[in-house]
Amino acid sequence: EPEVTQTPSHQVTQMGQEVILRCVPISNHLYFYWYRQILGQKVEFLVSFYNNEISEKSEIFDDQFSVERPDGSNFTLKIRSTKLEDSAMYFCASRGRGNEKLFFGSGTQLSVL
Amino acid sequence: AQTVTQSQPEMSVQEAETVTLSCTYDTSESNYYLFWYKQPPSRQMILVIRQEAYKQQNATENRFSVNFQKAAKSFSLKISDSQLGDTAMYFCAFERSQGGSEKLVFGKGTKLTVNP
Repeated sequence: EPEVTQTPSHQVTQMGQEVILRCVPISNHLYFYWYRQILGQKVEFLVSFYNNEISEKSEIFDDQFSVERPDGSNFTLKIRSTKLEDSAMYFCASRGRGNEKLFFGSGTQLSVL
Repeated sequence: AQTVTQSQPEMSVQEAETVTLSCTYDTSESNYYLFWYKQPPSRQMILVIRQEAYKQQNATENRFSVNFQKAAKSFSLKISDSQLGDTAMYFCAFERSQGGSEKLVFGKGTKLTVNP
């Protein structure tokens, strides 16, 4: 089965630093997502992306967050100035068409110190 | 806005027994999808089963089956012949059936432990 690839699997950063989380969605997919899961809590939607623009974003996705699909294969999530509360597992996901099966990556664990 | 409620934070079952995890949801939509995801200690999100709301027949996948009660807005997961590898967090999730870039709304999860 095709896979969504996320790198790195674990990233440690200092508070106030910028981080970029990288994802390679499945090649013919059109819809891309980022979700977040703070340890011990539920998975929360951050943002969806289609046709090179944001389709929807949650309240969590404030001005410190941005997404980009720079080269047609990678899909990145940037946090400009990390806070302690940004520590979480970040999942990238993609799907081919609306309401088709959503494929999740294995996640990037972000630790902000 | 849609909400998903899982009222059982933790459950346990003996190996080879059957266990049912509960999920209720709230929506004004008539067409939607419901899911159960498994999250083992590796924290990977694994799709267990998917139900389309317009289908009356309950979805099944091998040892996993659902009891979908649309009027009651209930979507429980039954795991038969439980195995040690079923030990994981289980999340119920909802998605509107609008096509496009619809998001998943998750419940808080149920931690299932299968005991030998």
